Amino acid sequence: DTGVSQDPRHKITKRGQNVTFRCDPISEHNRLYWYRQTLGQGPEFLTYFQNEAQLEKSRLLSDRFSAERPKGSFSTLEIQRTEQGDSAMYLCASSLAFAATNEKLFFGSGTQLSVL
Amino acid sequence: SQQGEEDPQALSIQEGENATMNCSYKTSINNLQWYRQNSGRGLVHLILIRSNEREKHSGRLRVTLDTSKKSSSLLITASRAADTASYFCATDSNYQLIWGAGTKLIIKP
Repeated sequence: DTGVSQDPRHKITKRGQNVTFRCDPISEHNRLYWYRQTLGQGPEFLTYFQNEAQLEKSRLLSDRFSAERPKGSFSTLEIQRTEQGDSAMYLCASSLAFAATNEKLFFGSGTQLSVL
Repeated sequence: SQQGEEDPQALSIQEGENATMNCSYKTSINNLQWYRQNSGRGLVHLILIRSNEREKHSGRLRVTLDTSKKSSSLLITASRAADTASYFCATDSNYQLIWGAGTKLIIKP
């Protein structure tokens, strides 16, 4: 158990609906990352937070995606007006880092989204 | 876009044999990390090697880094059935971790 928890584990939704995922990082970690992963591919970066500040967001990320990390604790990722192409595993990771480099990431088990 | 490319895409060996997988990347890096992922689960960090290091060991794992060739290799010695998983390299560059598509390793009993 890595200590990062994600909820729900699975989500099935109809196209056009909104979905929200939650991630609880390891409590002392200051960085939180969201990734998306499709079958046979590596994780694709979506966004990351340093404490409560969202420092970077992928340019590939549609405006339908939004993430928050209020008070620098848990984070939510919302997808509005879901499309079939949004079907993927959404992974959350956290780390403790004070420099510009990315150190060891601890991942949650992911949320598998299926858009019908 | 993906920077790291793992090779081979898939590898099947007998239990007890050594497994070697390679990762190539394109730009200069701060560090390179290897992760393992079991089917349908999150990724687990295995080892991190910094740009000024050439080799690192952790248990049955040995990682090498050749910055002149922009490549790294992961060696798993005396493989076990539990090593069956996908293995990913991730390069830390320009404030991002960039991931390859992974090597799928199958250990046959």
